[in-house]
Amino acid sequence: QKEVEQNSGPLSVPEGAIASLNCTYSDRGSQSFFWYRQYSGKSPELIMFIYSNGDKEDGRFTAQLNKASQYVSLLIRDSQPSDSATYLCAVNSGIYGGSQGNLIFGKGTKLSVKP
Amino acid sequence: EAQVTQNPRYLITVTGKKLTVTCSQNMNHEYMSWYRQDPGLGLRQIYYSMNVEVTDKGDVPEGYKVSRKEKRNFPLILESPSPNQTSLYFCASRPSLRSYNEQFFGPGTRLTVL
Repeated sequence: QKEVEQNSGPLSVPEGAIASLNCTYSDRGSQSFFWYRQYSGKSPELIMFIYSNGDKEDGRFTAQLNKASQYVSLLIRDSQPSDSATYLCAVNSGIYGGSQGNLIFGKGTKLSVKP
Repeated sequence: EAQVTQNPRYLITVTGKKLTVTCSQNMNHEYMSWYRQDPGLGLRQIYYSMNVEVTDKGDVPEGYKVSRKEKRNFPLILESPSPNQTSLYFCASRPSLRSYNEQFFGPGTRLTVL
């Protein structure tokens, strides 16, 4: 059973702080890793993706990947109240079973940024 | 505007009454899929389609059917809905099987089965 684990939160940070969101995955065959943001009642929106070990930065967002530890994280610098949402970690199904092209989602971490 | 549309957005129905949720995309995408989202369970794939007339089961296909007669449309059919199918449903599309980073989600359909 492929799994993606996230702390459900809520994670509360003050405005301007760094929010750190973590995710672990079970399928060693996974190659692609994604972070989605989902506002309440809305559809998920892709904000970051990473394929290689190390860091990837895009504006205030940094994704970090450690395949040996099967660990993905998302850092949000200078957090804003508008960043308050649920963040979903997603991992592609590896080559060992599973439907083709499926993304396995974690249950999400709810982030609250306090003004 | 590039988009994935779903209809209806909200639906309340009764057990056993067949229903169809439509999904349409205007981006000429090959890969389309349906997910359901439930509290505490996250997003789970129901069915997917790699192209016209090519569909297959995802992780939770029981009680659902799909068809892909045209590239742009991928309807989700519940032949005999039951209360455990009460959920938030999302259709998603992307250009091809491996283009994960170009996946668009539709706005969602909130279904309640009484």
